[in-house]
Amino acid sequence: ILNVEQSPQSLHVQEGDSTNFTCSFPSSNFYALHWYRWETAKSPEALFVMTLNGDEKKKGRISATLNTKEGYSYLYIKGSQPEDSATYLCAFSSNQFYFGTGTSLTVIP
Amino acid sequence: DSGVTQTPKHLITATGQRVTLRCSPRSGDLSVYWYQQSLDQGLQFLIQYYNGEERAKGNILERFSAQQFPDLHSELNLSSLELGDSALYFCASSPTGGDSYEQYFGPGTRLTVT
Repeated sequence: ILNVEQSPQSLHVQEGDSTNFTCSFPSSNFYALHWYRWETAKSPEALFVMTLNGDEKKKGRISATLNTKEGYSYLYIKGSQPEDSATYLCAFSSNQFYFGTGTSLTVIP
Repeated sequence: DSGVTQTPKHLITATGQRVTLRCSPRSGDLSVYWYQQSLDQGLQFLIQYYNGEERAKGNILERFSAQQFPDLHSELNLSSLELGDSALYFCASSPTGGDSYEQYFGPGTRLTVT
C-alpha cells in the first residue's frame, strides 16, 4: 500500500486570505496526480489532473503545481471565500489510485 | 449533477446477505471506477472497468465482485456481508481508461449492514 499524505489536516482562514495545502506521494511509478474538492454531503468533484513534472493548472482562484521528482503537489487558493469551505483530496495514480485523507478548509466570513 | 447515477441511494441489510449496487456512467464515458468510504478510513479504490474489461484492481475483497455490461453500466456485488462493510460506495466515470482524465463521481450508495 502506497502512502499519500496531505497537510495540514485542517485549516481555518479568514475570508480573503490566500492559502495552500500539500500532497506528498511516492516519486516512483507515477502516472497522474488528481485533486478533488469534496463538500459535506456531496460527492468529490474533480479540480485538476496533472501528469507531467512541472505541470501547473489553474481554475479561477484555485491553482496547483506538481513536482514528480520529489513527490509533492501544492494546491493554492487565492482570496478564499466561504464557498471554498470543503475538504480537498489528492489522489496518486500508479497502477491503481491512492487517496490522501484530505485537508479540511473552513473559510470564516 | 455529474451525470453519473447510482442506485439505490440507501441500502440496509443484514450480515451474511448479498447486495448489488448499480452505476450508470456519464454518456460517452467508457471507464467506471468503484470506491469505498468507510467511517474510519478515507476513500479506498476498489476496481476499475474500461469498456467491459477489468483494467485495475485495488483493495477489493474476494467477497466483492464487479462487472461492466455492454451498455457500459456497472454493478458491484457484495456478498457474505459483514458489519465492517457498512460504508458509502461511490462510482465514478471517465472518458477513457487512462489515468490522466478527470473522474466524475456519482452521488454514492450508503450501505448499512446490521
